[in-house]
Amino acid sequence: TQLLEQSPQFLSIQEGENLTVYCNSSSVFSSLQWYRQEPGEGPVLLVTVVTGGEVKKLKRLTFQFGDARKDSSLHITAAQPGDTGLYLCAGEDPGNQFYFGTGTSLTVIP
Amino acid sequence: ETGVTQTPRHLVMGMTNKKSLKCEQHLGHNAMYWYKQSAKKPLELMFVYSLEERVENNSVPSRFSPECPNSSHLFLHLHTLQPEDSALYLCASSQDWLAGAEQFFGPGTRLTVL
Repeated sequence: TQLLEQSPQFLSIQEGENLTVYCNSSSVFSSLQWYRQEPGEGPVLLVTVVTGGEVKKLKRLTFQFGDARKDSSLHITAAQPGDTGLYLCAGEDPGNQFYFGTGTSLTVIP
Repeated sequence: ETGVTQTPRHLVMGMTNKKSLKCEQHLGHNAMYWYKQSAKKPLELMFVYSLEERVENNSVPSRFSPECPNSSHLFLHLHTLQPEDSALYLCASSQDWLAGAEQFFGPGTRLTVL
C-alpha cells in the first residue's frame, strides 16, 4: 500500500497568516489531487497536478508538484476563516491505484 | 437535488441490527464509490462500481454488503457490525472509473455502532 504522509497533521493559525501544507511519499505518482473537506461535508476537489514541477494557482492557494512527482505542497496566502477544513492530497500511482493522504486539519481563527 | 446525496446523515445501531446506507448521484456519472473515513486514518476505499458492476473490493469484511441497482443509486447494507466500524461513510461518483478522475463526494453518513 502506498502511503501519502501529510504534514502537519493539525494547524491552527490567525486570520491573515500564510501557511504551507505538505504531502510526501517515497513513491512516484502519475498525478496528484488536493481536496478540501469542510465539517459535515464530503471532500471537494481543488486541483489536479500532473507534471513534475507544475505550479497551479487558485486565488490565494498555490499548489506545487515536486520535480520527481513524489511530493506536493499547498500554500495559502492570507488565510481566512473560510479556509478552515481538512485538506487531503490524493495520488494516482503508475499502476492506476488511487490513494488518499493522511490529511491536514486547518483552523483559521478570526 | 443536485450532486451526490446520502441518507441517513446519522445512524446509531447495535451490533445485532441490520441497516442500509443509501447514496444517490444526480450527475449522470458511470462510477460510484464507498469510502470509510476514520479519525487519524486516510480515507479507505471500500468498493467501486462501474456501470453497475463491482470492479474493486478492497478486502472489506463481509458484514458490509454493497448493492448498485442502477447507475444512480448505491447502497451499503450493514449487519452484525463491530464498534470499530463506527466512522463516517462517504459515497462518491465520477464520470468514469479512472484512478485520477475527479470524484464528487456526498456529505457522508456518520455511523455509530454500540
